[in-house]
Amino acid sequence: EDKVVQSPLSLVVHEGDTVTLNCSYEVTNFRSLLWYKQEKKAPTFLFMLTSSGIEKKSGRLSSILDKKELFSILNITATQTGDSAIYLCAVQNNAGNMLTFGGGTRLMVKP
Amino acid sequence: EPEVTQTPSHQVTQMGQEVILRCVPISNHLYFYWYRQILGQKVEFLVSFYNNEISEKSEIFDDQFSVERPDGSNFTLKIRSTKLEDSAMYFCASTRGDRDPDTQYFGPGTRLTVL
Repeated sequence: EDKVVQSPLSLVVHEGDTVTLNCSYEVTNFRSLLWYKQEKKAPTFLFMLTSSGIEKKSGRLSSILDKKELFSILNITATQTGDSAIYLCAVQNNAGNMLTFGGGTRLMVKP
Repeated sequence: EPEVTQTPSHQVTQMGQEVILRCVPISNHLYFYWYRQILGQKVEFLVSFYNNEISEKSEIFDDQFSVERPDGSNFTLKIRSTKLEDSAMYFCASTRGDRDPDTQYFGPGTRLTVL
């Protein structure tokens, strides 16, 4: 059974801080790892990672995957209050399309 | 930007009643999914649907659940006889189906409360 563990469970920072969110996984026949941001409603897609060592970047957010050590990190630089959300990590295996989610990291950015 | 939409946003029902949750996937997407998230717990996969049939389902998706694409735009999840433990946020998602791997885009969810 695929498994995803995210840490920390929650994090409180001040605007301008840099944060690193962690995602470790166990999956049979890894296919992809995805990061989502969940505010009040829908999980919003951030990144999909399939290869080790290649950083994906979008503005102040970036993410990288290590398939040898079975983890990914999501970095947010110069945090803003609008970054406050739950960040979800999910993995997909080659057996199908289902996503297995971690429990999420709740980030609160204070002004 | 195209989005997955879901209706209703909140549904309250009595235990034992049937409910139908509705989703409109992104228009050119071919794969559709249902997930649920019980309050305070992880998002869990229920079922995936492609070419008018179920392609994967989890242990949660038992005989009480069914899915249907009744027309060219809607995708529905039916729970025949709701239980208290079915109370959760239900998310619909869709993917284009022409890339591997493919990104799943989620709708805003329907909060189901079973009394």
